[in-house]
Amino acid sequence: GAGVSQTPSNKVTEKGKYVELRCDPISGHTALYWYRQSLGQGPEFLIYFQGTGAADDSGLPNDRFFAVRPEGSVSTLKIQRTERGDSAVYLCASSLDGGGLYEQYFGPGTRLTVT
Amino acid sequence: ELKVEQNPLFLSMQEGKNYTIYCNYSTTSDRLYWYRQDPGKSLESLFVLLSNGAVKQEGRLMASLDTKARLSTLHITAAVHDLSATYFCAVAGTASKLTFGTGTRLQVTL
Repeated sequence: GAGVSQTPSNKVTEKGKYVELRCDPISGHTALYWYRQSLGQGPEFLIYFQGTGAADDSGLPNDRFFAVRPEGSVSTLKIQRTERGDSAVYLCASSLDGGGLYEQYFGPGTRLTVT
Repeated sequence: ELKVEQNPLFLSMQEGKNYTIYCNYSTTSDRLYWYRQDPGKSLESLFVLLSNGAVKQEGRLMASLDTKARLSTLHITAAVHDLSATYFCAVAGTASKLTFGTGTRLQVTL
C-alpha cells in the first residue's frame, strides 16, 4: 500500500516568509509525528499527534512553529517568519497508534532551504 | 532528558568482515528501533526491539537489546557493499516520541 507522503519535496524560501509543509500518513494510522533533521545529524522530535490532537508538542523550537491535523489524517507543519536556521529536512512519520509498540514509518521528507 | 549515543560515528570496513555498532541511552526504556538511511533518502525501519534480551536478525544484520545496561547493538556479519548507509538507533521515551542517536555512517569497501 501507499506509504507516508510529503509535499513539497523541496522548498526554497526567503528569510521572513511563511511556509507550510504537508504530510499524508499511511491510511488508518492514528499517530503522526514530525521530526527535523539537520545535515549530519539524527532526526529531532518536533510534535506528535494522536488523532486530531497534539499529544506532545514539546519539541517545537519556538512559537514560530505550529502544526495541525484537523481531521486526524493529513497534517500541516507551519513555520512563520522563517530564519536561515530553520533550513533542514522535515520528516513526517506515522504509526498504527502512539503506544510505542508499532514502528514509525517515515516519509521522504521536505528539504527546506531558507535564503 | 533522554540522551542517545552511538559509536562509532564513522565505520569503514572491508567486504566480508564483521563489526558491531553500539547504541547507549541514558534513561530507562524498553523500546528501541534501528533505522537505515541512504544519502538523500528517508529512514527505513530495520528492527523494533521491545523487551530486554530481544534479538532480531534480518540477513547480515542482527540487533539486540539489553535494557539493564541501556545498550543495543547492531551486528554486521560478512559485510557487503550494499550495506553502506547511515544507521540510526532511536529510543522511545514519553508519548512514543523517538530520540535518535547521531548515526553511524558505514562504508563497506571492496
